[in-house]
Amino acid sequence: NAGVTQTPKFQVLKTGQSMTLQCAQDMNHEYMSWYRQDPGMGLRLIHYSVGAGITDQGEVPNGYNVSRSTTEDFPLRLLSAAPSQTSVYFCASSPGLWTGYTFGSGTRLTVV
Amino acid sequence: AQSVTQLDSHVSVSEGTPVLLRCNYSSSYSPSLFWYVQHPNKGLQLLLKYTSAATLVKGINGFEAEFKKSETSFHLTKPSAHMSDAAEYFCVVSDPPSGTYKYIFGTGTRLKVLA
Repeated sequence: NAGVTQTPKFQVLKTGQSMTLQCAQDMNHEYMSWYRQDPGMGLRLIHYSVGAGITDQGEVPNGYNVSRSTTEDFPLRLLSAAPSQTSVYFCASSPGLWTGYTFGSGTRLTVV
Repeated sequence: AQSVTQLDSHVSVSEGTPVLLRCNYSSSYSPSLFWYVQHPNKGLQLLLKYTSAATLVKGINGFEAEFKKSETSFHLTKPSAHMSDAAEYFCVVSDPPSGTYKYIFGTGTRLKVLA
């Protein structure tokens, strides 16, 4: 009964470093998304996927890449970390367009 | 374009008193609307959703919300607050069913419950 699993839970990066935030779900959900949460701004969509092999950009995609080679996994790559990417990142999945998300517990990323 | 406004950034209630968290939305279509709750240092949990069926939606933990098209509102209520309700609450509106699969989050309302 894992749901949506995100790793790591915490990460500190230096400016310019790259890394991958991992997201895996075991519910066979087609739809997966990545959000970032910043104080006073709610959650903003970075990238999303409507199935294996299909991804698209959200409202704040710059500096991030995604791929979806399997239904289960949806990793988020930071290409060259910047302090503006300091945030809490949430991965979410759902079985359909309008059923609502199941969220992971988040990754708190600090870029120094 | 779709948008959602949560009218209060902070709400304080006493334990046992009613809770009202206000949400207005803007949509050119018949929207789907959701409320999520986030406890400190946790992920978000779906409380309830409206998807064009009954306008009064019941959710988990005694919460409910009423969709009012004429007022473009989707306020969240609970008759009696419990200490465990202290959390941040997000109102969410969906994009129209155009296949873009984007949810627009409000900026959140932090609920404080006083003993």
